[in-house]
Amino acid sequence: SQQGEEDPQALSIQEGENATMNCSYKTSINNLQWYRQNSGRGLVHLILIRSNEREKHSGRLRVTLDTSKKSSSLLITASRAADTASYFCATDEYGNKLVFGAGTILRVKS
Amino acid sequence: DVKVTQSSRYLVKRTGEKVFLECVQDMDHENMFWYRQDPGLGLRLIYFSYDVKMKEKGDIPEGYSVSREKKERFSLILESASTNQTSMYLCASSRTGGGSYNEQFFGPGTRLTVL
Repeated sequence: SQQGEEDPQALSIQEGENATMNCSYKTSINNLQWYRQNSGRGLVHLILIRSNEREKHSGRLRVTLDTSKKSSSLLITASRAADTASYFCATDEYGNKLVFGAGTILRVKS
Repeated sequence: DVKVTQSSRYLVKRTGEKVFLECVQDMDHENMFWYRQDPGLGLRLIYFSYDVKMKEKGDIPEGYSVSREKKERFSLILESASTNQTSMYLCASSRTGGGSYNEQFFGPGTRLTVL
């Protein structure tokens, strides 16, 4: 089952611009997480937002969660070439499982 | 520094071979996971384990089995490799927490090619 769906599939921006990625999901969640994957590598956890939170910040990252719309967004401000990666949202199911979306490929041009 | 390691970064095997992918974590995590990642499909859960000798099927267990004899080690076994199992395989681990879910820590991945 694939719960999280990211939008857009791919995004290309200039260095210094902001990047926004969206995630929609289908069922109730306890929390939603965002991960980054550099080309050909494993995933790295970026940020977790709980279902009772609406917004969370971590450095240049801002995540919002709208449980009424079952959606989340990840904003990366003042992007850098090093932000080039794939970004995945993941929602929890029962137990300790996560369900990942197909991801957004971000390319930051310098 | 937390660490999840996988036995190989790249692996090439022939159709019909038995393939072992090993994953080791040094964080004393209870939960361990095996995913495969294919373009456009994201990560799909193959199997997971929440304790030694315990395992549960994920979304796509067919053609795979797993073994967890020790807490730190989780092995994925392809009993008879087929070309449609060519993929990137990712191992992850996490703590069992009360309340909200904990983050998963991933290994670097094994890119398996079955010829």
